[in-house]
Amino acid sequence: QKEVEQNSGPLSVPEGAIASLNCTYSDRGSQSFFWYRQYSGKSPELIMFIYSNGDKEDGRFTAQLNKASQYVSLLIRDSQPSDSATYLCAVNGVSDKLIFGTGTRLQVFP
Amino acid sequence: DAMVIQNPRYQVTQFGKPVTLSCSQTLNHNVMYWYQQKSSQAPKLLFHYYDKDFNNEADTPDNFQSRRPNTSFCFLDIRSPGLGDAAMYLCATSREAGLYEFFGPGTRLTVL
Repeated sequence: QKEVEQNSGPLSVPEGAIASLNCTYSDRGSQSFFWYRQYSGKSPELIMFIYSNGDKEDGRFTAQLNKASQYVSLLIRDSQPSDSATYLCAVNGVSDKLIFGTGTRLQVFP
Repeated sequence: DAMVIQNPRYQVTQFGKPVTLSCSQTLNHNVMYWYQQKSSQAPKLLFHYYDKDFNNEADTPDNFQSRRPNTSFCFLDIRSPGLGDAAMYLCATSREAGLYEFFGPGTRLTVL
């Protein structure tokens, strides 16, 4: 089992819709969870982090964490074509190193 | 603006010809990381420094070396690049281990 799993996609949503990106992780001891956005050919950019169970909202983005289910998600409301990118989930693991998933490619079409 | 800078942004080298990639940061972060990322793959951690303490990943090839002469700078040396080393190399920093990592723009390495 991979340590951090994401559906590779692509996830296609129409402009204005809600995009829902999911991530599961295997280490129950993980404490910190991060979502990065990566445009093609560019480096990852942090968009959200969450440490506690529940929801955390920042503008159009909401991160959701359920430690019991080892599940973290990212919701993007009012999706825009500029949101089209790969979204990487990262979880802190052994020795506080981040473990990255392979990412979900999101396509927002007009 | 505080940031992470990588040079060069694009590097072309020949098979077996040593190459050095550099990273500098103005964030005064304690931790610096080097990742390798190939197309459609997750970033793969090569090594990291916590201050001056060097931590090598078990599966990082001996062909890859690193130096951190001071807090601001970190270098990645590839002693004998092979075709399989062509990738994006990402430098990242973090105030403390386990906190979010701030990435530089990356260096795209091509091996001919």
